[in-house]
Amino acid sequence: NTKITQSPRYLILGRANKSLECEQHLGHNAMYWYKQSAEKPPELMFLYNLKQLIRNETVPSRFIPECPDSSKLLLHISAVDPEDSAVYFCASSPGTVYSGNTLYFGEGSRLIVV
Amino acid sequence: GQGVEQPAKLMSVEGTFARVNCTYSTSGFNGLSWYQQREGQAPVFLSYVVLDGLKDSGHFSTFLSRSNGYSYLLLTELQIKDSASYLCAVREANAYKVIFGKGTHLHVLP
Repeated sequence: NTKITQSPRYLILGRANKSLECEQHLGHNAMYWYKQSAEKPPELMFLYNLKQLIRNETVPSRFIPECPDSSKLLLHISAVDPEDSAVYFCASSPGTVYSGNTLYFGEGSRLIVV
Repeated sequence: GQGVEQPAKLMSVEGTFARVNCTYSTSGFNGLSWYQQREGQAPVFLSYVVLDGLKDSGHFSTFLSRSNGYSYLLLTELQIKDSASYLCAVREANAYKVIFGKGTHLHVLP
């Protein structure tokens, strides 16, 4: 799927700061960040509808989302913890967050905390 | 309790079929989706159902019974490449969140 691009694809961090980027070329109104740890399903972290943060899951404060425009999503990470090792997926859906039942996922950014 | 449940593993034979079950208990219901996820890759949307009955989409068919909180994904004429995890995801009524099950890993044997 090249219509939702994420970067970087792989990230190895100590206790450093880094940002993940996502851009969707589907014209969707809703965008999401999901975290998927090993052997677990995707877990919603944040979601945006038309650039507005509508729901903020109880994730550690070291994760800060940003939506500079309706097609872009950022996830700023500071002072990562080993429990943050996971794949972070960006996703989007047509319609609104109330009606978008089809999620389109990016390829993911694999974070490894050392 | 509330949640989406799936069996962890399923095995079947190439050329036959496999039925991946999903049961859910949520605060209201606003649709159920199935995703395929291969190892190391992103989930890929397969099907969405919101009304009771069987939805035939060829290789993949989906059944829903809202009164029983039950759905299944049926894969026919299995191929080795169908080996993957299959995730069931439910949206609650008037809610933002899509709740994913833990996924069923299907292993297709030659």
